[in-house]
Amino acid sequence: GENVEQHPSTLSVQEGDSAVIKCTYSDSASNYFPWYKQELGKGPQLIIDIRSNVGEKKDQRIAVTLNKTAKHFSLHITETQPEDSAVYFCAASISVSQFYFGTGTSLTVIP
Amino acid sequence: GAVVSQHPSRVICKSGTSVKIECRSLDFQATTMFWYRQFPKQSLMLMATSNEGSKATYEQGVEKDKFLINHASLTLSTLTVTSAHPEDSSFYICSAIRGTDQPQHFGDGTRLSIL
Repeated sequence: GENVEQHPSTLSVQEGDSAVIKCTYSDSASNYFPWYKQELGKGPQLIIDIRSNVGEKKDQRIAVTLNKTAKHFSLHITETQPEDSAVYFCAASISVSQFYFGTGTSLTVIP
Repeated sequence: GAVVSQHPSRVICKSGTSVKIECRSLDFQATTMFWYRQFPKQSLMLMATSNEGSKATYEQGVEKDKFLINHASLTLSTLTVTSAHPEDSSFYICSAIRGTDQPQHFGDGTRLSIL
């Protein structure tokens, strides 16, 4: 089955700096890659996603890149703010019922 | 945007009690709903996948008689933890999906504490 690895597990950055979280997947059939932000005591919220026919997608301060050949995708947050502090999860999906989540990255933005 | 409502947000009850958690997709019809369990500082652990009108598919190691799932409509799924014990205490999260190549939309979770 699919195996999604996520690094780093914890990340601290100064406010205003950029943060990068990387994920790798094993199954080349994966074709949909969402990223989620989970704040303490809440459910994960979708922040950005990318499909396998696209290499990069950007939404204001957040961007995601996908390298299908290398089977890795990354989340980039620029100009980080304290409210970006949360746990971020990547996921790879093969079908509606096959979603595989990474182990999560705890991001702390230091004011 | 897509909204998934999960209730209750917090439950505290005695050992042996059965607890029902509801998951509703408020503004879309969900082809599939998922139930997860999350331990502190860990990732989401899929418990089961359910489709409206059919039996849920449980992940290996999840007791189907312990965690009853009913998916009565395209907008409602329920998880019942039967005869709950302290080891069942956890954060349970549901999600719903519209279809292929679509994101899962999550509820805000239910914190279950069994005394």
